[in-house]
Amino acid sequence: DAGVIQSPRHEVTEMGQEVTLRCKPISGHDYLFWYRQTMMRGLELLIYFNNNVPIDDSGMPEDRFSAKMPNASFSTLKIQPSEPRDSAVYFCASCPDSTNTGELFFGEGSRLTVL
Amino acid sequence: GNSVTQMEGPVTLSEEAFLTINCTYTATGYPSLFWYVQYPGEGLQLLLKATKADDKGSNKGFEATYRKETTSFHLEKGSVQVSDSAVYFCALSRIQGAQKLVFGQGTRLTINP
Repeated sequence: DAGVIQSPRHEVTEMGQEVTLRCKPISGHDYLFWYRQTMMRGLELLIYFNNNVPIDDSGMPEDRFSAKMPNASFSTLKIQPSEPRDSAVYFCASCPDSTNTGELFFGEGSRLTVL
Repeated sequence: GNSVTQMEGPVTLSEEAFLTINCTYTATGYPSLFWYVQYPGEGLQLLLKATKADDKGSNKGFEATYRKETTSFHLEKGSVQVSDSAVYFCALSRIQGAQKLVFGQGTRLTINP
């Protein structure tokens, strides 16, 4: 079975540019999460969706960040305009609903470098 | 609020050494506790979990016991291997599940042959 698929794996961009990260959750999973990992802050939850609806976006750092989930098999995290402090690894994760036991299934991450 | 504190790394051990990575937590109610592992270049994956006091989670030779009296969930392994080199994260969730997993800072473990 395919796991959570993220793209791109690596992105290098210049300050001010728009960045779009993509995620395909595991089929049948009702929850989708976006996390950010940095050396300074560790792993931070940015936002999560349930059945394509954003439930909690309190972790989104500021208005430059936005996330969408137009359907059950696709989500995007957009940063516009990007800044050097946005450099991090961004993880997408998903989990089922009815059997939710606290286990998240993570993608391999998208490493973003903003110059 | 809910929080998790892990021992700071990095931790470097020789193969076959005994491993302990400390984890303590602060939480309201009765959280579930987890250890996740992140191998180089990969996402996190669940290693083990415990959902109530005195439960012991185990997997791949690793163990952790949910100690409510000391609010701890220390990770142990009796004999580590080079392949155990990874970053280990302690985490907790409220009783509702994974929606609000709170992770510790992670502990980088390196095992030398």
